[in-house]
Amino acid sequence: EAGVTQFPSHSVIEKGQTVTLRCDPISGHDNLYWYRRVMGKEIKFLLHFVKESKQDESGMPNNRFLAERTGGTYSTLKVQPAELEDSGVYFCASSPWTGGRNEQFFGPGTRLTVL
Amino acid sequence: KQEVTQIPAALSVPEGENLVLNCSFTDSAIYNLQWFRQDPGKGLTSLLLIQSSQREQTSGRLNASLDKSSGRSTLYIAASQPGDSATYLCAVEVNYGQNFVFGPGTRLSVLP
Repeated sequence: EAGVTQFPSHSVIEKGQTVTLRCDPISGHDNLYWYRRVMGKEIKFLLHFVKESKQDESGMPNNRFLAERTGGTYSTLKVQPAELEDSGVYFCASSPWTGGRNEQFFGPGTRLTVL
Repeated sequence: KQEVTQIPAALSVPEGENLVLNCSFTDSAIYNLQWFRQDPGKGLTSLLLIQSSQREQTSGRLNASLDKSSGRSTLYIAASQPGDSATYLCAVEVNYGQNFVFGPGTRLSVLP
């Protein structure tokens, strides 16, 4: 069974540019989460999809971040325009969430550097 | 607001030792607690998940315990090996079926 995949693995962009990150969850997992870690800090929650619906987007830092999950399969996270403080590692996780058991499986992350 | 701490921040032990990593959380109203390992430059690998109704889970040389009332979990690693060297992260599920709050991690080095 394929794990969670993320693309690209690295992205270097200039301030003001746009970047789109992609996450493919494990097949059959309805729950998809985005997290990020900025330098020296803990991993922080961004948002949660159940199928194609946004269940919780309380962790999104501002309206420069837009997440979508069309058709309830893969998800994209767009940052437009990117700022220096957006640099960090963006993780995606998916979970089948069955019987109260919410085991999350993480992708390898996308390292974003904004210059 | 839920906060998760992990002690120690870093740990270095000789190969073969048994060791304990600690995780504390401020709000005992959690649903699941999950332990992960992260190798440098890699994603997170799930080690163990403990549901709120459980007190411990075991997988191979790993044993995780959960005491909700005291806001603590421990990860016990038996007979440590150099391949166990990684950062170990504890995360708690704060709302049913929703996101996890992560601790800062413990960086473990097992010396051959």
